[in-house]
Parts: sequence; C-alpha cells; structure tokens
Amino acid sequence: QKEVEQDPGPLSVPEGAIVSLNCTYSNSAFQYFMWYRQYSRKGPELLMYTYSSGNKEDGRFTAQVDKSSKYISLFIRDSQPSDSATYLCAMSALSVTSGSRLTFGEGTQLTVNP
Amino acid sequence: EAGVAQSPRYKIIEKRQSVAFWCNPISGHATLYWYQQILGQGPKLLIQFQNNGVVDDSQLPKDRFSAERLKGVDSTLKIQPAKLEDSAVYLCASSLGQGAYNSPLHFGNGTRLTVT
Repeated sequence: QKEVEQDPGPLSVPEGAIVSLNCTYSNSAFQYFMWYRQYSRKGPELLMYTYSSGNKEDGRFTAQVDKSSKYISLFIRDSQPSDSATYLCAMSALSVTSGSRLTFGEGTQLTVNP
Repeated sequence: EAGVAQSPRYKIIEKRQSVAFWCNPISGHATLYWYQQILGQGPKLLIQFQNNGVVDDSQLPKDRFSAERLKGVDSTLKIQPAKLEDSAVYLCASSLGQGAYNSPLHFGNGTRLTVT
C-alpha cells in the first residue's frame, strides 16, 4: 500500500467551477501537509502549506486537513484556465528514520476549459 | 531572485552508458535535494544535502547513482551504468532551512532523461 494515495484524474472542468482535489494517507506520523502545482515541463511550485488539522485559505485556494480521517483536500474557487496543471499533495513527518522527507502523491492532472 | 538552474534540459542515452546532471541552487540556500519523477508519478527523494554533508540518501540506488555537492553550492548527480527504468525527470530543489516541513522547496525545471 502506498503511503499517499491521490486520484491521478484527469479532471476536466469548465471555467468558474469549484475544483476539489484530494489525497489520503496511511502514515499517522505525517504532520505537515503541502500542495504543489506543476505546469507541463516545469518543476513543482509550492501552493499551500498547513500544519495539523483545519482549514487554510489563500485567495481562491483553500487547503483542508482532517487528520482523524487521514484525508487532505485542496479547493479551488472560480477556477481559471491558468489553473490547468498537475496538483501534487506532499506530506512530511519528523522521524529518526525519515527525517523530514517529503512524500508526494502521484498528482492529479487538472484542465480548466474556457 | 534567480531560480534553481539545471542542465541539460534533455538527455538521451543508451542503456549501460553513463550520464551526469548539474544543479545550481538559489544563492544562500543551504539544503539541496535531488528528486526522481517517473512519468505519471510524484517526485521521489534520491538524496538531500545540508551544505556539503549528506542528510538523507536512503532511497538512492548507490550501486549506480552517485551525487556530490562541491563547496556547499553546486551539485552533480551521476548515473553509471544507466538502466531503462532510469528514464525519468530528475529534479533539483533547494531550500533555505534544513527541514522540508518548514522551509519551502524551490524546484528547478528538471532534466528529462530517456534511456533507450
């Protein structure tokens, strides 16, 4: 079983739609949760960072963490064609064996159609 | 602020050949990472440097992969000999602090390796 599971999509939505992207995880030691956006042929860039359970909002983006269910989400409001990219969830724990290594999901490919 | 620079952008080699990738991190970033991203998968950490020293190389296939970071700045990643399953994008990232959990990673655009 993978430590982090993410639906690879692809996901196609019309412009203006609300997008929901999700990841589940099995390692209860994960405490730090991130979302990265990766455009085609580019490196990932950090979108959102959260620690512990709860919501965090930044403009049109909201990150949600539910540690009891081992489930994290990224919501994109009023989606734009420029949001078309692959979205990667990433998680980290602090441990003797893995340090603070980031574990990534496989990414969800999103297309927003004008 | 200049980003993480990587070269070459693309490389095609035959199996059993050797190849090297170069990375120049953001100025002042103490921590440097090499990730392997196979098509359709998320990046997987190969090695993490803190200045000159190796912090985590537990997922580096040491029989064929090697990496060094000279003078705590630039880094090279080498594969010798390459296998077909090494076809992937090799991403370099750097961060100001040590922990990926509290110091954002800045990624380069990667080197796309094809092994035939």
